[in-house]
Amino acid sequence: AQKITQTQPGMFVQEKEAVTLDCTYDTSDQSYGLFWYKQPSSGEMIFLIYQGSYDEQNATEGRYSLNFQKARKSANLVISASQLGDSAMYFCAMREYNQAGTALIFGKGTTLSVSS
Amino acid sequence: DAGVTQSPTHLIKTRGQQVTLRCSPKSGHDTVSWYQQALGQGPQFIFQYYEEEERQRGNFPDRFSGHQFPNYSSELNVNALLLGDSALYLCASSGGGGLETQYFGPGTRLLVL
Repeated sequence: AQKITQTQPGMFVQEKEAVTLDCTYDTSDQSYGLFWYKQPSSGEMIFLIYQGSYDEQNATEGRYSLNFQKARKSANLVISASQLGDSAMYFCAMREYNQAGTALIFGKGTTLSVSS
Repeated sequence: DAGVTQSPTHLIKTRGQQVTLRCSPKSGHDTVSWYQQALGQGPQFIFQYYEEEERQRGNFPDRFSGHQFPNYSSELNVNALLLGDSALYLCASSGGGGLETQYFGPGTRLLVL
């Protein structure tokens, strides 16, 4: 069963607009972490934001915020005031804490295109 | 402060050959994880090394093996290469025994002909 689902293959937005990238997850663990990474065409995965399952406040990092709805098992990324440099692939990932290690499980990603 | 580095950046091999990819973690990090990313897909976890031992392994065959050195750097070895091994191989490092956020290197693009 897919543990991370990103249903939007592609999203298109204009500069300065806000955009929400969807992510739902599936786990039976109480303790887990959720991450968003950005991957430009160069290939490097860039860490954006983290939300722990016990965090009561939604995480924010500059223009990025994570809309965490635990009961719905969703962890959507909100980018405010989009910039041309935001055009990239975005991946949602989860880390479960019941494993011996700390492997990340990734979704299939969403391609974001920002136009002027 | 140098980030995660990987070498080589690109590699072309033929079926049946063997390949070694290298990764140097971010300063202060003690855990290295390897991921395979096929074109158009999300990264898939291969394995994770901590204290020079393989601590966790994903669903990859034994042809994929690795090593971690005392300085925390790591190697990924793939034997008997198949066409399907063509992918971007990403290394990620983290601190705190792996409990902290994983930071990725630029990746190695492997093409198997």
